[in-house]
Amino acid sequence: EDQVTQSPEALRLQEGESSSLNCSYTVSGLRGLFWYRQDPGKGPEFLFTLYSAGEEKEKERLKATLTKKESFLHITAPKPEDSATYLCAVLGPTGFQKLVFGTGTRLLVSP
Amino acid sequence: DSGVTQTPKHLITATGQRVTLRCSPRSGDLSVYWYQQSLDQGLQFLIQYYNGEERAKGNILERFSAQQFPDLHSELNLSSLELGDSALYFCASSPGGVNTEAFFGQGTRLTVV
Repeated sequence: EDQVTQSPEALRLQEGESSSLNCSYTVSGLRGLFWYRQDPGKGPEFLFTLYSAGEEKEKERLKATLTKKESFLHITAPKPEDSATYLCAVLGPTGFQKLVFGTGTRLLVSP
Repeated sequence: DSGVTQTPKHLITATGQRVTLRCSPRSGDLSVYWYQQSLDQGLQFLIQYYNGEERAKGNILERFSAQQFPDLHSELNLSSLELGDSALYFCASSPGGVNTEAFFGQGTRLTVV
């Protein structure tokens, strides 16, 4: 069964203090790894899709990387508006489009 | 705005009752997915429809059912509601192709009292 583990569960940063979030996965035949951002009471907002080990994608202060066992979401010089829960999900070979989500990392950036 | 519309935004109902949640996918998307998110668990996949047909099923209770209509909107029916069914219910849609990201609606917050 596909599994996704995210760490840490919660992370508090000062504005400008860069850090990384981890997503470890177990899936036979990864078809895609997805990062979403979720604000309280809102739906997840799509950020990135990564398809193969070595791939990297960037968007503003966020950069996502992928290896064969894990993905990292690097946050450079974060701002308070980056505070949210960041979710990682994998798409395995079974199921037409069944994303398996981790429980997320709650990020709080203080000014 | 993801383009996925869910109604209602909030729903409060009593145990034993039945409710229907509605989802309109993004224009052109053929797949609709339903997820449940409760406080103690992450997003749990419930069910997927593609162009009117059921394609994948997750840990969906027998008391829950869904369908996708010819105009591609979808409804999730929850019956014999229990306190533990209180959660956020999200709908997502995608064009239906492999390796495409799913876009989520803003969710329906269901409270069972």
